[in-house]
Amino acid sequence: AQSVTQLDSQVPVFEEAPVELRCNYSSSVSVYLFWYVQYPNQGLQLLLKYLSGSTLVKGINGFEAEFNKSQTSFHLRKPSVHISDTAEYFCAVSEGLGNEKLTFGTGTRLTIIP
Amino acid sequence: NAGVMQNPRHLVRRRGQEARLRCSPMKGHSHVYWYRQLPEEGLKFMVYLQKENIIDESGMPKERFSAEFPKEGPSILRIQQVVRGDSAAYFCASSRPPVKGYQETQYFGPGTRLLVL
Repeated sequence: AQSVTQLDSQVPVFEEAPVELRCNYSSSVSVYLFWYVQYPNQGLQLLLKYLSGSTLVKGINGFEAEFNKSQTSFHLRKPSVHISDTAEYFCAVSEGLGNEKLTFGTGTRLTIIP
Repeated sequence: NAGVMQNPRHLVRRRGQEARLRCSPMKGHSHVYWYRQLPEEGLKFMVYLQKENIIDESGMPKERFSAEFPKEGPSILRIQQVVRGDSAAYFCASSRPPVKGYQETQYFGPGTRLLVL
């Protein structure tokens, strides 16, 4: 069975500062990895995904993430945050074809301080 | 190109009533997934459907919950005899069939927030 751990439930960051949101996973097979963002009272929007290839993945809104197989991590980063980045961020994994369901972490609430 | 549509956005039911949640996938998407988000928690997978076929229902509670995705019309998540513990946000996601051996991206709807009184 696969699982996802997001250790930081809340992360406050000053505007224009860098941020890293941590995500670790466990799985007995190769996985696909995703980061989604959820704004208040809205659905989830895909930020980026890792399926294969380059371990550094670039997404929307200036976010990027790096897949580290040896550390089973997929941390999300942004070099300079904006007020509009205030939201809940979810890391998710799936085992790919034949088992496409997503397993989510508990989320990290990113708060940008002006 | 409209996104995934869900209705109603908010639903209030009394204990013992039935709740019906609808999901219309994006155009060209034939796969639908339902997830539940309890307060202060992440999303939990419930069921995965294709047209007229349940692919994976490993996350569905054994009783009172059912889902369908008919040939025509939206996917329906049905909860019979609701209890207070069913209060949650229910999200639907849709995707295209997998091509080139890769999993397709799941696109999420805005969710239905169910409140059981």
